[in-house]
Amino acid sequence: QVQLVESGGGLVTPGGSLRLSCEASGFTFSDHYMTWIRQAPGKGLEWVSAIGSSGSYISYADSVKGRFTISRDNARNSLFLQMNSLRAEDTAVYYCARRPIYNWNLDYWGQGTLVTVSS
Amino acid sequence: QPVLTQPPSMSGAPGQRVTISCTGSGSNFGTGYDIHWYQQLPGTAPKLLIYDYTDRPSGVPDRFSGSRSGTSASLAISGLQAEDEGTYYCQSYDSSLSGWVFGGGTKLTVL
Repeated sequence: QVQLVESGGGLVTPGGSLRLSCEASGFTFSDHYMTWIRQAPGKGLEWVSAIGSSGSYISYADSVKGRFTISRDNARNSLFLQMNSLRAEDTAVYYCARRPIYNWNLDYWGQGTLVTVSS
Repeated sequence: QPVLTQPPSMSGAPGQRVTISCTGSGSNFGTGYDIHWYQQLPGTAPKLLIYDYTDRPSGVPDRFSGSRSGTSASLAISGLQAEDEGTYYCQSYDSSLSGWVFGGGTKLTVL
């Protein structure tokens, strides 16, 4: 069965950096676009970034552009999000989610990893 | 401000039917990108509930149904149950933003 497992969250001071990972299993990882979605405490869902199946397509929300970098390693079935210059408003649960082939929904989600930016 | 507009809250008694609306703009609804719905139960990750306006993934009960009307979409839940209490989000892809967009979420309370 499809599984997505995020890791790497934690407490970081403003201006600091953190690298999130998402390990995928149960499907052919290299066939799928992958995304990061975040949810601030008590708030709604916000798309953060997406990467194409080979890594050649990449897009970011304006709120993280220039600070976050998405990448993937298809040999290791892993997705990453390098987060630099973190701000208090980046505090959220970060989910990785899979885009199915030929559709723009997100059919599988991980359990999320909490990132807290605070001094 | 979310690109897709949903009512922030709704409620219904067990057994009743509720309908949640989602309104978009021309850069998502109007350019061939469908609306999808997610259910997020308290303390859990979102789960795909309806895709392409009306289709249900395997395992989703037929109490959940979706529809489309112009630049709006609706999620209907019939035979409301206590375990349906949670937050429901609509989602599309916005070509002008080159990214996924969500509604603000509708918190459903089962009375």
